[in-house]
Amino acid sequence: SQQGEEDPQALSIQEGENATMNCSYKTSINNLQWYRQNSGRGLVHLILIRSNEREKHSGRLRVTLDTSKKSSSLLITASRAADTASYFCATGVSGGYNKLIFGAGTRLAVHP
Amino acid sequence: GAVVSQHPSWVICKSGTSVKIECRSLDFQATTMFWYRQFPKQSLMLMATSNEGSKATYEQGVEKDKFLINHASLTLSTLTVTSAHPEDSSFYICSAKQRLNEKLFFGSGTQLSVL
Repeated sequence: SQQGEEDPQALSIQEGENATMNCSYKTSINNLQWYRQNSGRGLVHLILIRSNEREKHSGRLRVTLDTSKKSSSLLITASRAADTASYFCATGVSGGYNKLIFGAGTRLAVHP
Repeated sequence: GAVVSQHPSWVICKSGTSVKIECRSLDFQATTMFWYRQFPKQSLMLMATSNEGSKATYEQGVEKDKFLINHASLTLSTLTVTSAHPEDSSFYICSAKQRLNEKLFFGSGTQLSVL
């Protein structure tokens, strides 16, 4: 079953602009992860933020987590055409085999 | 490191036949592997979780007799779509997890088209 929802569903920006994607989830989590998927390919892990963390940076990526609102955001600064892809948040659910449940995703298009 | 190989990349088959998809972790031991299904422009739907040497755990609504999962070793899991029908056409992606590592490493996916 789907855990999260993301918005916007699609985002179109120019190179150099920042892109912000939001993710909301429903249940308690251990961690929240962001993945990127190029069209027709597998997913690549971008960043992980734990439930006791509020913000994390990795290069041009900035992730925030608000557990009280059950939401997270991914900011990509100074976007490039190569950032064009779909971005998914995934929540690590406690118990079982630590499976990840993916959100609906945001399709980002960065135009040169 | 942490490379997951999935093949075939795409397969076309006739209705009623079975198709096997392989997922291998090339440079690490995958204690757990996950199989997802993805429709165009949609998210990944978790189908099942498999642990080496034990039976797979299927998500609600996924037919275990239709989607056979075998995780015979710490580096290989297979998904067999039995008696495939056109509605089984989809993009199937595997992912692998190392012990004590919360990240998932994904295969490149298999596009299945059932005629």
